[in-house]
Amino acid sequence: DVKVTQSSRYLVKRTGEKVFLECVQDMDHENMFWYRQDPGLGLRLIYFSYDVKMKEKGDIPEGYSVSREKKERFSLILESASTNQTSMYLCASRNRGITEAFFGQGTRLTVV
Amino acid sequence: AQKVTQAQTEISVVEKEDVTLDCVYETRDTTYYLFWYKQPPSGELVFLIRRNSFDEQNEISGRYSWNFQKSTSSFNFTITASQVVDSAVYFCALKSEYGNKLVFGAGTILRVKS
Repeated sequence: DVKVTQSSRYLVKRTGEKVFLECVQDMDHENMFWYRQDPGLGLRLIYFSYDVKMKEKGDIPEGYSVSREKKERFSLILESASTNQTSMYLCASRNRGITEAFFGQGTRLTVV
Repeated sequence: AQKVTQAQTEISVVEKEDVTLDCVYETRDTTYYLFWYKQPPSGELVFLIRRNSFDEQNEISGRYSWNFQKSTSSFNFTITASQVVDSAVYFCALKSEYGNKLVFGAGTILRVKS
């Protein structure tokens, strides 16, 4: 079974803090994604990566950056957390040529 | 631009009722893929089905069935004889053949009461 693991289920951070959300997958997938989930808006793509050190902006990249130094790990970084970044964050991975994505359990981030 | 619309924000049914979740999509691509995911209270999205645009055959898997109609750009999901364990948020999603992005609908919250 594909396993996508996010480092935290719940996080509470203060405004202005630098926040790291970590995601690891164990199936050697090329593609990894970070989504943000908000009620009524579904999932919106923040960033994705199609290879080590390669990244592309999604629909809502403002206020976020990412890092992919190893194939299995994809980090989402909030440079200076703000209250409007309070949300559920979901990581996903997908193999090239196989179109369904596999998701982690999500990290519920609260910025106070 | 691609778009997925799930017009039903929330549905409540009583156990054993049948329920249909609607999904309407927009795309200019001739080749694309449609998906349904289930998100139980635990939070992890669980993949249910993938359908490509050239395969309009309906599919049944146990109590689940999917009706893909290209003419109306719809990919509806029916749960027969619903159970409490079906309570979850259900997402419909769309992906073009060449892109990396999955475009999601807003989701439908399904509550099944005993």
